[in-house]
Amino acid sequence: QQPVQSPQAVILREGEDAVINCSSSKALYSVHWYRQKHGEAPVFLMILLKGGEQKGHDKISASFNEKKQQSSLYLTASQLSYSGTYFCGTEIQGAQKLVFGQGTRLTINP
Amino acid sequence: SAVISQKPSRDICQRGTSLTIQCQVDSQVTMMFWYRQQPGQSLTLIATANQGSEATYESGFVIDKFPISRPNLTFSTLTVSNMSPEDSSIYLCSVEEAGYQETQYFGPGTRLLVL
Repeated sequence: QQPVQSPQAVILREGEDAVINCSSSKALYSVHWYRQKHGEAPVFLMILLKGGEQKGHDKISASFNEKKQQSSLYLTASQLSYSGTYFCGTEIQGAQKLVFGQGTRLTINP
Repeated sequence: SAVISQKPSRDICQRGTSLTIQCQVDSQVTMMFWYRQQPGQSLTLIATANQGSEATYESGFVIDKFPISRPNLTFSTLTVSNMSPEDSSIYLCSVEEAGYQETQYFGPGTRLLVL
C-alpha cells in the first residue's frame, strides 16, 4: 500500500525551513528519501532503518518514528537547489522492494 | 555509487510496435528493478529482475506485456510490447548495491511517447 506524503506541495522563500512527512499503514523496515528535479532521475538522499534513528547531512535531515510508522524530512535554511519533488520509498520487512509515496513538490523562490 | 546508463534515452514509437530498453551498470549488482513514471506521477514498480531467475512482476504488470531479461549481474532489458498511447511514460531502471544498506540508485530513464 502506497505511503501518504504531506503536504502535496509547498512554496518557500530561500532560507526558510520545510518539513515533509511520509506515513504508512504498515510496519516498516526502512524509509528511503529521494529528490527528483524536472526531467531528471530521482537522486538518493538518505535511508532510515527501523529503530527510530535520525540522519542528516548538510542542512537536510530525517527521522523515523517506528511507533507511528512515519518519517519526516527536514530541510533547514532552504537553498534554491532544494527545489524539486521529494519522494519517500517505504520497505516492509522481507519485501525487498520499495513502494513510493505520491511525492511532495517543493518550490524555493529567491 | 554505481553508474547506471539506459538506452535509448527517448523514443517515439507507433502503436502496436515494441521497444526494448537497456540498462547497464558499471559494477555487479544483485537486484535490478524497473519502474514506470507517468508525467507528474510517482514511481510505480513494474518488476524486479534477478539474475538467474525469472523476473517478479507487480500487480497489474504481466510478462507478456513487459518481458524482462537479466543475463548477468550488470545488464537488464525491459521490452514494452504491443504499445498503445497509454504506455507513454518514463521507464527507469534502478539497482540495489549489494551490502550497502539496500540503497537503490536510479538510471537516467527512457522517455517513451507512443503515437
